[in-house]
Amino acid sequence: ETGVTQSPTHLIKTRGQQVTLRCSSQSGHNTVSWYQQALGQGPQFIFQYYREEENGRGNFPPRFSGLQFPNYSSELNVNALELDDSALYLCASSPWTGSNTEAFFGQGTRLTVV
Amino acid sequence: SQQGEEDPQALSIQEGENATMNCSYKTSINNLQWYRQNSGRGLVHLILIRSNEREKHSGRLRVTLDTSKKSSSLLITASRAADTASYFCATYSGNTPLVFGKGTRLSVIA
Repeated sequence: ETGVTQSPTHLIKTRGQQVTLRCSSQSGHNTVSWYQQALGQGPQFIFQYYREEENGRGNFPPRFSGLQFPNYSSELNVNALELDDSALYLCASSPWTGSNTEAFFGQGTRLTVV
Repeated sequence: SQQGEEDPQALSIQEGENATMNCSYKTSINNLQWYRQNSGRGLVHLILIRSNEREKHSGRLRVTLDTSKKSSSLLITASRAADTASYFCATYSGNTPLVFGKGTRLSVIA
């Protein structure tokens, strides 16, 4: 167990709807990253938050947005859901932003868009 | 885009055998990390090797890094059925976050 918790674990949404996924980071970690993992693929970086500010973004459209709260927990919001958004969404926390640290992953939220 | 590419895509071995997985990447890196994923759930960090290191050990795991060839290998010795999982390499370059490969699916048959 990494101490990173995500909710919900599974979710089914209809195309065009909006969804919010939540992540509680490990105690003492101020950096949270979100990844999308399609079936059979490796995780793809969506964005990272450091001390409540976005600190980097991958190649995802603006309908993917996020927040980080003062307690360093985080949300991922996806608007206008498309079928291709069906994936496992992973949250990872780190004790600081920067390269020489491992990432601690939650168990993920499996999103299915129908 | 994916920086790392693992080889092979899938590997099936008998319990007790050694498993070797390889990772190639494209740009210079700060470090390379290996993660394990069971049944499409969360990733578990296995080992981090910095760009100025050539080899690192952790229990039954041995990781090598060859920056001149832009490649790394993960060796799992004396494999167990519980080692069955997908294994990913991930690289850190500059200020970019972790970039993952597509993974190697390892099956260890009892």
